[in-house]
Amino acid sequence: DSGVTQTPKHLITATGQRVTLRCSPRSGDLSVYWYQQSLDQGLQFLIQYYNGEERAKGNILERFSAQQFPDLHSELNLSSLELGDSALYFCASSGTGLHSGNTIYFGEGSWLTVV
Amino acid sequence: AQRVTQPEKLLSVFKGAPVELKCNYSYSGSPELFWYVQYSRQRLQLLLRHISRESIKGFTADLNKGETSFHLKKPFAQEEDSAMYYCALSSGTSYGKLTFGQGTILTVHP
Repeated sequence: DSGVTQTPKHLITATGQRVTLRCSPRSGDLSVYWYQQSLDQGLQFLIQYYNGEERAKGNILERFSAQQFPDLHSELNLSSLELGDSALYFCASSGTGLHSGNTIYFGEGSWLTVV
Repeated sequence: AQRVTQPEKLLSVFKGAPVELKCNYSYSGSPELFWYVQYSRQRLQLLLRHISRESIKGFTADLNKGETSFHLKKPFAQEEDSAMYYCALSSGTSYGKLTFGQGTILTVHP
């Protein structure tokens, strides 16, 4: 158990809908990351938050947004869902992510299926 | 731009045979390289990082800056090594942002 918890584990929704994925980082970790794993794109970095503020952005679509709350948990919001958004969404956390030597711990992921 | 290439999508070996999973990277600065392992679509687990130069589960990896490679090796593969292996790179601009290769599925046959 890495200590990073994600909910829900599985989610099936229809095209055009909106979903929210939730992540609780390991105790004490300030940085939270979101990654998308799909068959065609592989593992892709979406976004990083550090202590409530956006720190780095990757290939995140405009239909997607994230935030990190004062208690350091994070949510990834996916809207206007398309079939191609079906993927495994990982959350990860690390102490700071601001310097080398940080170990990044991954959660078990949230399986999203868009039908 | 940084990139990680794992040229083999699939790799099959027999138990007890040596295994090498290839990883090449492109990055203009000084990268930090990692190997992650994923068993049956579970969470990714850190296997190795180049700065620690340790051996985990018998795996080792050496960073070769001249060849821009970070190949993962194990002298004697075990059936429980069967998994998906990802090579990843993080840069000095954001250490937490990992760029992953496409992954290599390792199958160790009995």
